[in-house]
Amino acid sequence: KAGVTQTPRYLIKTRGQQVTLSCSPISGHRSVSWYQQTPGQGLQFLFEYFSETQRNKGNFPGRFSGRQFSNSRSEMNVSTLELGDSALYLCASSGRATGGNTEAFFGQGTRLTVV
Amino acid sequence: AQSVSQHNHHVILSEAASLELGCNYSYGGTVNLFWYVQYPGQHLQLLLKYFSGDPLVKGIKGFEAEFIKSKFSFNLRKPSVQWSDTAEYFCAVSGTYKYIFGTGTRLKVLA
Repeated sequence: KAGVTQTPRYLIKTRGQQVTLSCSPISGHRSVSWYQQTPGQGLQFLFEYFSETQRNKGNFPGRFSGRQFSNSRSEMNVSTLELGDSALYLCASSGRATGGNTEAFFGQGTRLTVV
Repeated sequence: AQSVSQHNHHVILSEAASLELGCNYSYGGTVNLFWYVQYPGQHLQLLLKYFSGDPLVKGIKGFEAEFIKSKFSFNLRKPSVQWSDTAEYFCAVSGTYKYIFGTGTRLKVLA
């Protein structure tokens, strides 16, 4: 079956702009979580959605937001982009609730560069 | 606070050398531990996981990890690495509706 699909793969934006990233989970998976990956910082948790409800949020400013649709697809939005937002943004899907003894399946990520 | 520490940021080995990557965690609840690998240009994929039972778990591609509760550790091992093991390795513990990752270890295997 198809894996986790993230679009676009690459983005270049200017400071101050906003951006929307998309994630389609594995068919049948209802939980989607987002992570920011930067060199030396590893993966930092952004937020998690299950059945359209945000159940957990990481320590990121309010400029970072997300949502999940009824078909489990998810989007994350970053407004007023800053240079420090340049990173690889990863989406993961899980068959059951994220966390616990559930494996997460990751997409290839969206590489965002802010200039 | 919940956290995962990976002490080796960069490791360089020759083929056939043995590998051990350290991982220590801090988590107050039931511990579920994972090792993920990210090959160049590819997505993160699961190497192995520990939920309960035998503390020595075996994963794909000859990797194994040992959960030592008293040391809060979950070190990854492989007896003989190959050039194709060149990748970044992440240790993670699952929390409430999230995973907590370490900062990763970049492994380079020289042919």
